[in-house]
Amino acid sequence: DTGVSQNPRHKITKRGQNVTFRCDPISEHNRLYWYRQTLGQGPEFLTYFQNEAQLEKSRLLSDRFSAERPKGSFSTLEIQRTEQGDSAMYLCASSLFLGAHTEAFFGQGTRLTVV
Amino acid sequence: AQKVTQAQTEISVVEKEDVTLDCVYETRDTTYYLFWYKQPPSGELVFLIRRNSFDEQNEISGRYSWNFQKSTSSFNFTITASQVVDSAVYFCALIGTQGGSEKLVFGKGTKLTVNP
Repeated sequence: DTGVSQNPRHKITKRGQNVTFRCDPISEHNRLYWYRQTLGQGPEFLTYFQNEAQLEKSRLLSDRFSAERPKGSFSTLEIQRTEQGDSAMYLCASSLFLGAHTEAFFGQGTRLTVV
Repeated sequence: AQKVTQAQTEISVVEKEDVTLDCVYETRDTTYYLFWYKQPPSGELVFLIRRNSFDEQNEISGRYSWNFQKSTSSFNFTITASQVVDSAVYFCALIGTQGGSEKLVFGKGTKLTVNP
C-alpha cells in the first residue's frame, strides 16, 4: 500500500485558466475528502465522498469548483476560471468508514499558485 | 457546529524539554472523535492518534502522551524529552457523528520549534 497519492505536486497557472487535480486514495478506503490549506491555517473542508456518492460540500466550494469520484476509486477536483484567491495547498485524504470513524490518511497535497 | 481551538500559535523549546500542546473543542454531539496530526516542513499531514468520546483513558506512545478530559472539552498532547525532529505544526481535529455533517474540523495548529 503506497498511501494516498496526489498529482501533480505543484501547479502554476494563469488566472482564468482551468486546473484539475487527481487523488488516488488507499485502495480499500471508501471515504475520500478534499481539503484546502492556506499558509498559517488549518485544513478547511471542501467536500467528501463515500464510494462514488458526494455526500457533503462546503459553502467554500463555489460553482467554479467541482469534484468527482466516478467509480468510487480515484477522485478529481477541478477549478474553473482560477482566481488568485484559489492559491493554496489542496489536500486529499481517505478513510475507511464502517459505521465508526477511523483515521483519515492524507496525501502530500497539490500546491496551486495562480499568477 | 463543531469547533476546535488551539490557542498556542507558536511554541519554542530547547531539546529535551517537555512540551504540552493544548486543544479545546466544541460540539453538541454525544458521540465524536478527536485526532492529532503532525505536519512537518515537507507538508504531509501525519496521523498521530484517534480517540472516541467514550474513551477517556489517557494514552502514552513512546515520548507522546494524550490527556482527554470531557469535563473541560480538552484533548491535550504532551511530548516528553522533545527532539529536533519533533519540530512541526501540530493540528487537533474533531469529527462529529450527528447533525448530518461528518467532516473533520481542524484547529489552526500550533507550530512547535525544538532548538538543539
